[in-house]
Amino acid sequence: DAGVTQSPTHLIKTRGQQVTLRCSPKSGHDTVSWYQQALGQGPQFIFQYYEEEERQRGNFPDRFSGHQFPNYSSELNVNALLLGDSALYLCASSMDSYGYTFGSGTRLTVV
Amino acid sequence: GEDVEQSLFLSVREGDSSVINCTYTDSSSTYLYWYKQEPGAGLQLLTYIFSNMDMKQDQRLTVLLNKKDKHLSLRIADTQTGDSAIYFCADENSGGGADGLTFGKGTHLIIQP
Repeated sequence: DAGVTQSPTHLIKTRGQQVTLRCSPKSGHDTVSWYQQALGQGPQFIFQYYEEEERQRGNFPDRFSGHQFPNYSSELNVNALLLGDSALYLCASSMDSYGYTFGSGTRLTVV
Repeated sequence: GEDVEQSLFLSVREGDSSVINCTYTDSSSTYLYWYKQEPGAGLQLLTYIFSNMDMKQDQRLTVLLNKKDKHLSLRIADTQTGDSAIYFCADENSGGGADGLTFGKGTHLIIQP
């Protein structure tokens, strides 16, 4: 049974560019949450998607947006990248809002 | 806003018990979680406890919850070198988790031979 799959594993982008990260949830899970983990910090909640809608959002600017597809997979988009956006981006899937399973993350470096 | 605090480092000898502590501020927490993160990896769920429980045991892991003091601890019995990692405490509020999990900064568990 595949867990949460994230792609790509690593990414290097230039300031001002846009990036799209992808997440496939664990089988049977219908909810996807995204987190940003800066170096030496705990993960911070970006937003959560359920039934293809953004259900809740953390304290992140509108440059961060997302999408959930009918098969429950999800994308995280970040526009106008800043150096401070460099981080590990983690996707977590769950059945509604319980029992979060995390992927291995996408390491984004902005130069 | 909600806050979760952990000490940054814990050093124990192999074979001893490790106790990692966490305090949280959200009085409406429903579930509290412990996650493990090894270098370069994602988060692995170790265990969780529902807020109406005081204790939960799962093999080498024991979770204690003092809801009055908003204090959570994770005890790892017979600590091994493979337990070396960063351990995160996280809480989920009564909004059904729709505000996501709030994590501490993590405790680095260092195992001495």
